[in-house]
Amino acid sequence: DGGITQSPKYLFRKEGQNVTLSCEQNLNHDAMYWYRQDPGQGLRLIYYSQIVNDFQKGDIAEGYSVSREKKESFPLTVTSAQKNPTAFYLCSSSIDRDSQQYFGPGTRLTVT
Amino acid sequence: KQEVTQIPAALSVPEGENLVLNCSFTDSAIYNLQWFRQDPGKGLTSLLLIQSSQREQTSGRLNASLDKSSGRSTLYIAASQPGDSATYLCAVKGSEETSGSRLTFGEGTQLTVNP
Repeated sequence: DGGITQSPKYLFRKEGQNVTLSCEQNLNHDAMYWYRQDPGQGLRLIYYSQIVNDFQKGDIAEGYSVSREKKESFPLTVTSAQKNPTAFYLCSSSIDRDSQQYFGPGTRLTVT
Repeated sequence: KQEVTQIPAALSVPEGENLVLNCSFTDSAIYNLQWFRQDPGKGLTSLLLIQSSQREQTSGRLNASLDKSSGRSTLYIAASQPGDSATYLCAVKGSEETSGSRLTFGEGTQLTVNP
């Protein structure tokens, strides 16, 4: 099956710990994105990558880091510097930056 | 900075009713507009994509229109069913010059279709 996978579905961490969220796609898409969704708010862009080994900050990149070493993988690290990390995180991809975006099932991160 | 607004925030209708969801955006220099569906606790499912040069797109019971000059899009759902209950999100993609080709999302309309 083709698609975008995110793991794990639920993640619990203690405050002060870094955590990495996985995003993998087998759609051969060049562009990949990370969004954060909070209750009552629209999705906000964290980071995006249009090609391997290149990525740009989105609107709320502080406290997050990414890498794009392979076309199919775009992991997101939530660092201890992120003040309010508890949220629903969504990964998406598209053939190129101007095409339809497809989303993964999301990871719900809870930090206590 | 692009801003996207969706009205109403919530809508409850009886099964079988035709309905319209509204989306407005402040910067008309968009590349395309997408409508998504999100079920509780799930990711987003793409419903329709309208390029800036298009006026509308149709898929089954769904029809989306785009009026770029006035900064508006509507999603029309015909003969609504309980299975249509979900949150519907509108997102616009700007040009590389204005927004780095990023998607800007509205907060969504939560639709409930009652049997």
